[in-house]
Amino acid sequence: AQSVAQPEDQVNVAEGNPLTVKCTYSVSGNPYLFWYVQYPNRGLQFLLKYITGDNLVKGSYGFEAEFNKSQTSFHLKKPSALVSDSALYFCAVRDRNSGNTPLVFGKGTRLSVIA
Amino acid sequence: DTGVSQDPRHKITKRGQNVTFRCDPISEHNRLYWYRQTLGQGPEFLTYFQNEAQLEKSRLLSDRFSAERPKGSFSTLEIQRTEQGDSAMYLCASSSSGATEAFFGQGTRLTVV
Repeated sequence: AQSVAQPEDQVNVAEGNPLTVKCTYSVSGNPYLFWYVQYPNRGLQFLLKYITGDNLVKGSYGFEAEFNKSQTSFHLKKPSALVSDSALYFCAVRDRNSGNTPLVFGKGTRLSVIA
Repeated sequence: DTGVSQDPRHKITKRGQNVTFRCDPISEHNRLYWYRQTLGQGPEFLTYFQNEAQLEKSRLLSDRFSAERPKGSFSTLEIQRTEQGDSAMYLCASSSSGATEAFFGQGTRLTVV
């Protein structure tokens, strides 16, 4: 079975500081990994994905994420946070070897960027 | 607008009533997913279509829930005899064959009173 853990319910960071939102995953095979962002009363917006290749993946709005196979982690990062980055962030996983099965999501981490 | 479209955006219904939601996927996408999201939780998978075929259903999808995608384009999700526990955001997503990520609609927020 696939699962995702986001150990922090809330992350607070000052504007201009670097941010990290943590994610660890569990799959039986190799993973496809994703980050989505959700603004209030909105659907989920795709940020970035890891499929294969470079462990550092760059996505929308200056976000990036690093795949670490040995630690089964896929942490989301941004060098300099903006107040407009404040939102709910979801990590998701799919087992690469199980066909086009649906994404499995973590519980989410609320990011609050303070001016 | 070429994104995933869901209708209605909000629905308030009395317990015991039936409700139906519609999802229009991105036009070239043949895969369509329904998820449910409750407060403080991530989206939970309900069911999945490839074209008009319903390929997978979650155990969350009780017999009061039914989904269709009759012509492989739009989809409907019906909840019969709604209960207060059905109150949630219902999200639809779509993807194309071979794609890995799915694209989500704005969701339908259901409140059962």
